[in-house]
Amino acid sequence: SQQGEEDPQALSIQEGENATMNCSYKTSINNLQWYRQNSGRGLVHLILIRSNEREKHSGRLRVTLDTSKKSSSLLITASRAADTASYFCATASGGSNYKLTFGKGTLLTVNP
Amino acid sequence: GAGVSQTPSNKVTEKGKYVELRCDPISGHTALYWYRQSLGQGPEFLIYFQGTGAADDSGLPNDRFFAVRPEGSVSTLKIQRTERGDSAVYLCASSLTGTGGYEQYFGPGTRLTVT
Repeated sequence: SQQGEEDPQALSIQEGENATMNCSYKTSINNLQWYRQNSGRGLVHLILIRSNEREKHSGRLRVTLDTSKKSSSLLITASRAADTASYFCATASGGSNYKLTFGKGTLLTVNP
Repeated sequence: GAGVSQTPSNKVTEKGKYVELRCDPISGHTALYWYRQSLGQGPEFLIYFQGTGAADDSGLPNDRFFAVRPEGSVSTLKIQRTERGDSAVYLCASSLTGTGGYEQYFGPGTRLTVT
């Protein structure tokens, strides 16, 4: 069953612009993780944010979490062509904090 | 250090055959996971190992699927009597432990095609 839903499904921007992707989920979570997947490559872990955290930064990435709205956002600043990929949010919820449930992802295209 | 590795990277098999997919986790990671990703979808959880034991196999679709991790390191996912619907990318991940909500690190996957 699907827990996270990313929005939008696809996003196309110019290099240097910021990209924002959103994730909504249905049940209470223990943590939420964002992953990137390039064409033909595996999933790369970007950021983990726990349910008691509201914001985390890593380089050009900023993740926010609003547990009252059951939503998270991933902001990529000053995007580069190499950021072109699919981005997934994954939630660990219920009695487990290991079983990740992924959404369908947002396909980000950064045009040079 | 080395990341999660998976072999083979691609596997083509005929319907009804048996296949084994191998995963070598990051050294020192006690938790290992298998996921399956179909085209256009996010990965779906199959099974979680903590050490040698399968702590949660609730995602295995049916009894044709089985996984082992006999020495608490390398894991093998086994699929019997393969069906065309089993075609997908099978991803393995590992984390420091399964408790505490640690990051999961994924391997490149095995693309299984059942003809």
